[in-house]
Amino acid sequence: KQEVTQIPAALSVPEGENLVLNCSFTDSAIYNLQWFRQDPGKGLTSLLLIQSSQREQTSGRLNASLDKSSGRSTLYIAASQPGDSATYLCAVMGASGTYKYIFGTGTRLKVLA
Amino acid sequence: DTGVSQDPRHKITKRGQNVTFRCDPISEHNRLYWYRQTLGQGPEFLTYFQNEAQLEKSRLLSDRFSAERPKGSFSTLEIQRTEQGDSAMYLCASSPPGAGAYYEQYFGPGTRLTVT
Repeated sequence: KQEVTQIPAALSVPEGENLVLNCSFTDSAIYNLQWFRQDPGKGLTSLLLIQSSQREQTSGRLNASLDKSSGRSTLYIAASQPGDSATYLCAVMGASGTYKYIFGTGTRLKVLA
Repeated sequence: DTGVSQDPRHKITKRGQNVTFRCDPISEHNRLYWYRQTLGQGPEFLTYFQNEAQLEKSRLLSDRFSAERPKGSFSTLEIQRTEQGDSAMYLCASSPPGAGAYYEQYFGPGTRLTVT
Protein backbone atom coordinates (compact mmCIF):
# COMPACT_ATOMS: atom_id res chain seq x y z
CA LYS A 1 0.00 0.00 0.00
CA GLN A 2 1.43 3.35 -1.08
CA GLU A 3 2.17 5.80 1.71
CA VAL A 4 3.31 9.38 1.16
CA THR A 5 5.12 11.39 3.83
CA GLN A 6 6.01 15.06 3.77
CA ILE A 7 8.65 16.64 5.95
CA PRO A 8 8.64 19.12 7.58
CA ALA A 9 4.96 19.40 8.56
CA ALA A 10 5.37 23.15 9.05
CA LEU A 11 8.00 25.71 8.18
CA SER A 12 8.37 29.39 8.94
CA VAL A 13 11.10 31.37 7.17
CA PRO A 14 12.03 35.01 6.52
CA GLU A 15 11.39 36.42 3.08
CA GLY A 16 14.12 35.78 0.52
CA GLU A 17 15.23 32.37 1.76
CA ASN A 18 15.57 29.40 -0.55
CA LEU A 19 13.50 26.44 0.63
CA VAL A 20 13.41 22.69 0.19
CA LEU A 21 10.26 20.71 0.85
CA ASN A 22 10.52 16.93 0.99
CA CYS A 23 8.19 14.16 -0.10
CA SER A 24 8.83 10.45 0.27
CA PHE A 25 6.78 7.48 -0.94
CA THR A 26 7.00 3.79 -0.09
CA ASP A 27 6.24 2.18 -3.48
CA SER A 28 8.57 3.25 -6.27
CA ALA A 29 6.22 1.93 -8.98
CA ILE A 30 4.70 5.30 -9.73
CA TYR A 31 3.41 6.86 -12.94
CA ASN A 32 3.38 10.54 -11.99
CA LEU A 33 4.15 12.75 -9.06
CA GLN A 34 2.39 16.11 -8.79
CA TRP A 35 3.01 19.02 -6.45
CA PHE A 36 0.08 21.23 -5.43
CA ARG A 37 -0.43 24.40 -3.47
CA GLN A 38 -3.47 24.90 -1.24
CA ASP A 39 -4.48 28.20 0.35
CA PRO A 40 -6.62 28.02 3.53
CA GLY A 41 -10.15 26.87 2.78
CA LYS A 42 -9.49 26.67 -0.95
CA GLY A 43 -9.02 24.01 -3.59
CA LEU A 44 -5.71 22.76 -4.94
CA THR A 45 -3.60 24.56 -7.51
CA SER A 46 -1.26 22.42 -9.60
CA LEU A 47 2.37 23.55 -9.46
CA LEU A 48 4.42 20.89 -11.24
CA LEU A 49 3.93 17.38 -12.58
CA ILE A 50 6.85 14.99 -13.01
CA GLN A 51 6.37 11.85 -15.06
CA SER A 52 8.18 8.72 -13.85
CA SER A 53 10.68 8.93 -16.71
CA GLN A 54 11.68 12.49 -15.79
CA ARG A 55 14.14 13.68 -13.17
CA GLU A 56 12.94 17.25 -12.67
CA GLN A 57 10.58 19.99 -13.76
CA THR A 58 10.91 23.74 -13.41
CA SER A 59 8.41 26.58 -13.40
CA GLY A 60 9.60 30.06 -12.49
CA ARG A 61 11.04 29.99 -8.98
CA LEU A 62 9.95 26.40 -8.46
CA ASN A 63 11.95 23.28 -9.22
CA ALA A 64 10.81 19.75 -8.44
CA SER A 65 13.05 16.71 -8.63
CA LEU A 66 12.21 13.02 -8.58
CA ASP A 67 14.34 10.07 -7.51
CA LYS A 68 12.01 7.17 -8.10
CA SER A 69 14.40 4.45 -6.96
CA SER A 70 14.81 6.01 -3.53
CA GLY A 71 11.16 7.06 -3.31
CA ARG A 72 11.83 10.77 -2.95
CA SER A 73 10.87 14.09 -4.45
CA THR A 74 11.88 17.58 -3.44
CA LEU A 75 10.28 20.92 -4.20
CA TYR A 76 12.75 23.78 -4.25
CA ILE A 77 11.42 27.32 -3.88
CA ALA A 78 13.90 30.06 -4.69
CA ALA A 79 13.82 33.52 -3.13
CA SER A 80 10.67 32.92 -1.10
CA GLN A 81 7.99 35.64 -0.84
CA PRO A 82 5.11 36.20 1.60
CA GLY A 83 2.74 35.25 -1.21
CA ASP A 84 4.24 31.76 -1.19
CA SER A 85 2.64 31.14 2.22
CA ALA A 86 0.33 28.15 1.79
CA THR A 87 0.22 24.40 2.28
CA TYR A 88 2.20 22.39 -0.26
CA LEU A 89 0.95 18.90 -1.06
CA CYS A 90 2.73 16.07 -2.83
CA ALA A 91 0.69 13.37 -4.60
CA VAL A 92 1.74 10.18 -6.35
CA MET A 93 -0.11 8.16 -8.97
CA GLY A 94 0.61 4.43 -9.02
CA ALA A 95 1.69 2.63 -12.16
CA SER A 96 -0.91 -0.11 -11.79
CA GLY A 97 -3.47 1.50 -14.08
CA THR A 98 -5.60 3.28 -11.51
CA TYR A 99 -5.53 7.01 -11.97
CA LYS A 100 -6.00 8.15 -8.41
CA TYR A 101 -3.54 10.20 -6.44
CA ILE A 102 -2.29 9.30 -2.98
CA PHE A 103 -1.52 12.49 -1.09
CA GLY A 104 0.83 13.39 1.70
CA THR A 105 -0.41 15.47 4.62
CA GLY A 106 1.37 18.55 3.35
CA THR A 107 3.90 21.12 4.51
CA ARG A 108 2.46 24.37 5.89
CA LEU A 109 4.74 27.18 4.81
CA LYS A 110 4.77 30.67 6.24
CA VAL A 111 7.08 33.27 4.71
CA LEU A 112 7.56 36.29 6.96
CA ALA A 113 7.94 39.77 5.47
CA ASP B 1 -10.93 27.57 -20.72
CA THR B 2 -12.87 27.78 -17.47
CA GLY B 3 -11.67 25.67 -14.60
CA VAL B 4 -13.42 22.94 -12.64
CA SER B 5 -16.47 24.32 -10.85
CA GLN B 6 -18.28 22.94 -7.84
CA ASP B 7 -21.62 23.79 -6.35
CA PRO B 8 -22.44 24.62 -3.63
CA ARG B 9 -19.26 26.00 -2.12
CA HIS B 10 -20.57 25.57 1.41
CA LYS B 11 -23.31 23.35 2.82
CA ILE B 12 -24.51 23.14 6.40
CA THR B 13 -26.91 20.32 7.13
CA LYS B 14 -28.37 18.49 10.09
CA ARG B 15 -27.40 14.95 10.84
CA GLY B 16 -29.61 12.49 9.01
CA GLN B 17 -30.33 14.75 6.05
CA ASN B 18 -29.33 13.95 2.46
CA VAL B 19 -27.03 16.27 0.51
CA THR B 20 -25.96 16.40 -3.13
CA PHE B 21 -22.94 18.13 -4.60
CA ARG B 22 -22.27 18.95 -8.23
CA CYS B 23 -19.01 19.11 -10.16
CA ASP B 24 -18.55 20.50 -13.67
CA PRO B 25 -15.20 19.45 -15.12
CA ILE B 26 -13.10 21.34 -17.62
CA SER B 27 -14.65 21.04 -21.05
CA GLU B 28 -13.54 17.90 -22.93
CA HIS B 29 -11.90 16.36 -19.86
CA ASN B 30 -13.09 12.77 -19.88
CA ARG B 31 -11.68 11.80 -16.46
CA LEU B 32 -13.31 13.00 -13.26
CA TYR B 33 -12.31 12.30 -9.66
CA TRP B 34 -13.81 12.93 -6.24
CA TYR B 35 -11.66 13.32 -3.13
CA ARG B 36 -12.45 14.13 0.49
CA GLN B 37 -10.22 16.24 2.72
CA THR B 38 -10.51 16.62 6.48
CA LEU B 39 -8.77 19.32 8.48
CA GLY B 40 -4.99 18.98 8.54
CA GLN B 41 -4.95 16.01 6.18
CA GLY B 42 -4.25 15.53 2.51
CA PRO B 43 -7.14 14.68 0.17
CA GLU B 44 -8.28 11.04 0.10
CA PHE B 45 -9.54 9.42 -3.09
CA LEU B 46 -13.24 8.54 -3.21
CA THR B 47 -14.11 7.60 -6.78
CA TYR B 48 -13.07 7.94 -10.43
CA PHE B 49 -15.05 8.21 -13.68
CA GLN B 50 -13.84 7.83 -17.22
CA ASN B 51 -16.58 9.32 -19.37
CA GLU B 52 -19.80 8.02 -17.79
CA ALA B 53 -18.29 4.82 -16.39
CA GLN B 54 -17.41 4.70 -12.69
CA LEU B 55 -14.20 2.68 -12.79
CA GLU B 56 -13.01 2.77 -9.20
CA LYS B 57 -14.51 3.34 -5.77
CA SER B 58 -12.63 3.66 -2.52
CA ARG B 59 -13.60 1.69 0.54
CA LEU B 60 -14.20 5.11 2.09
CA LEU B 61 -17.29 5.33 -0.09
CA SER B 62 -19.81 3.62 2.15
CA ASP B 63 -23.29 2.57 1.05
CA ARG B 64 -24.52 6.03 2.03
CA PHE B 65 -22.44 7.61 -0.73
CA SER B 66 -23.30 7.47 -4.41
CA ALA B 67 -21.76 9.23 -7.37
CA GLU B 68 -22.98 9.56 -10.92
CA ARG B 69 -21.76 11.08 -14.13
CA PRO B 70 -24.60 10.88 -16.63
CA LYS B 71 -23.58 11.44 -20.25
CA GLY B 72 -19.97 11.85 -19.20
CA SER B 73 -20.30 15.54 -18.41
CA PHE B 74 -21.01 16.88 -14.92
CA SER B 75 -20.98 14.62 -11.88
CA THR B 76 -22.98 14.50 -8.66
CA LEU B 77 -21.99 13.11 -5.29
CA GLU B 78 -24.85 12.29 -2.92
CA ILE B 79 -24.53 11.51 0.77
CA GLN B 80 -27.57 9.97 2.40
CA ARG B 81 -28.32 10.11 6.14
CA THR B 82 -25.37 12.38 6.85
CA GLU B 83 -23.28 11.84 9.95
CA GLN B 84 -21.00 14.27 11.78
CA GLY B 85 -18.01 12.30 10.49
CA ASP B 86 -18.97 13.31 6.96
CA SER B 87 -17.97 16.91 7.71
CA ALA B 88 -15.11 17.63 5.31
CA MET B 89 -14.11 19.41 2.12
CA TYR B 90 -15.24 17.48 -0.95
CA LEU B 91 -12.95 18.11 -3.91
CA CYS B 92 -13.53 17.35 -7.56
CA ALA B 93 -10.79 17.12 -10.16
CA SER B 94 -10.64 16.40 -13.87
CA SER B 95 -8.01 15.44 -16.43
CA PRO B 96 -8.00 15.28 -20.22
CA PRO B 97 -7.88 12.17 -22.41
CA GLY B 98 -4.41 10.84 -23.20
CA ALA B 99 -1.48 9.43 -21.30
CA GLY B 100 1.59 10.70 -19.51
CA ALA B 101 1.32 14.37 -18.64
CA TYR B 102 -2.34 14.24 -19.61
CA TYR B 103 -2.98 12.56 -16.27
CA GLU B 104 -2.39 15.92 -14.59
CA GLN B 105 -5.38 16.62 -12.40
CA TYR B 106 -7.04 20.02 -12.16
CA PHE B 107 -8.98 20.66 -8.99
CA GLY B 108 -12.07 22.68 -8.29
CA PRO B 109 -12.58 25.00 -5.29
CA GLY B 110 -14.29 22.30 -3.25
CA THR B 111 -17.56 22.03 -1.33
CA ARG B 112 -17.22 22.47 2.43
CA LEU B 113 -19.78 20.27 4.23
CA THR B 114 -20.62 20.83 7.88
CA VAL B 115 -22.95 18.33 9.56
CA THR B 116 -24.46 19.61 12.81
